[in-house]
Amino acid sequence: EAGVAQSPRYKIIEKRQSVAFWCNPISGHATLYWYQQILGQGPKLLIQFQNNGVVDDSQLPKDRFSAERLKGVDSTLKIQPAKLEDSAVYLCASSLLPGLAGYNEQFFGPGTRLTVL
Amino acid sequence: SQQGEEDPQALSIQEGENATMNCSYKTSINNLQWYRQNSGRGLVHLILIRSNEREKHSGRLRVTLDTSKKSSSLLITASRAADTASYFCATDLGTSYGKLTFGQGTILTVHP
Repeated sequence: EAGVAQSPRYKIIEKRQSVAFWCNPISGHATLYWYQQILGQGPKLLIQFQNNGVVDDSQLPKDRFSAERLKGVDSTLKIQPAKLEDSAVYLCASSLLPGLAGYNEQFFGPGTRLTVL
Repeated sequence: SQQGEEDPQALSIQEGENATMNCSYKTSINNLQWYRQNSGRGLVHLILIRSNEREKHSGRLRVTLDTSKKSSSLLITASRAADTASYFCATDLGTSYGKLTFGQGTILTVHP
């Protein structure tokens, strides 16, 4: 079974530039998550989709971050403009619908390491 | 804010020894999960324990949950160098959409 795919794996940009990350979840997984993981910390949920819809974006800095999940499959996360403090690893994860599966084990992609100079 | 807090922040042991990591949380949960993260395989789900369970085993892993103390522990027996990684607990508060909140993690180093 193919895992969660993410690209690019690494990205270096200067502050105030824009950047986009792409995620392709495991086939059949209705729920998709984007996390931000700053060095030395645990992953922090930025946004959660269930099929096409957003179910939680309470920790997404909406003035600069945006995300979409067209057709309930692939997703993109964008930062515009980037700040120095956005340097982190951006993780995408997917899972079956929690109600359907009875639990919500999440499967993570390899992440994109973003460095903002 | 972080729901789960792991203790210790770092743990260094010799191969063959047991490693115990603890997680404390603040509010009632539906389930608690442990994940491992290393540079080779990224973040990987290890084990899930539901709020009505007290202990669970998976291979060399043993997880306990004490809902009265709002704490969980992960025991890795007969550790190997390959167990070197960061370990995170993640709590599910029981929302309909299964949101997880991760702790800060414990860095485990197993010396050969």
